Amino acid sequence: NAGVTQTPKFQVLKTGQSMTLQCAQDMNHNSMYWYRQDPGMGLRLIYYSASEGTTDKGEVPNGYNVSRLNKREFSLRLESAAPSQTSVYFCASSSPEWPPKPNQPQHFGDGTRLSIL
Amino acid sequence: RKEVEQDPGPFNVPEGATVAFNCTYSNSASQSFFWYRQDCRKEPKLLMSVYSSGNEDGRFTAQLNRASQYISLLIRDSKLSDSATYLCVVNVASGANNLFFGTGTRLTVIP
Repeated sequence: NAGVTQTPKFQVLKTGQSMTLQCAQDMNHNSMYWYRQDPGMGLRLIYYSASEGTTDKGEVPNGYNVSRLNKREFSLRLESAAPSQTSVYFCASSSPEWPPKPNQPQHFGDGTRLSIL
Repeated sequence: RKEVEQDPGPFNVPEGATVAFNCTYSNSASQSFFWYRQDCRKEPKLLMSVYSSGNEDGRFTAQLNRASQYISLLIRDSKLSDSATYLCVVNVASGANNLFFGTGTRLTVIP
């Protein structure tokens, strides 16, 4: 079972470069999320998409954009990468039901390690 | 104030020991609660949900105290394979399942 798939797994960028992180889930989930994880900070929500066609800002959206391409795919874009965006990025999904129930856990992809020089 | 606070540890315990982690949350409207496990350089994985009446899954017991706004995880008969970081997670639902994660408590089980 693939679950949540993220690509790439590793990436090194130079300051100012752009890139898109891809995420796809095969669990028919309605909601998808992008987090970043930094040492001592825990997971912080960047953007989320409650359902296909909608996106909303999370706790730390600055410097990022997202696209919910279809129900399966949710991409995260860095338009002009900065060293402060060096982090591990996780995509997650939840809620096969609609509207989503608050007791639904999230399922994570295995992460993208991004370094910006 | 952080939504979710945990003691970062590390907790170093011998095999077979019992260990407990606590976590506090700030929003009294929080609706659902989870413990996730994260191995080094891996993604978080759901360990168990936490129910109001408390719940048990094998060697793991989770409890919720709404009045004091804390959650606990008890691990009995610790195994080497239990070594990981345990994340306390709280859902303050607002249209989607928006989870707030604690920074995690690191556990190392020693032979």
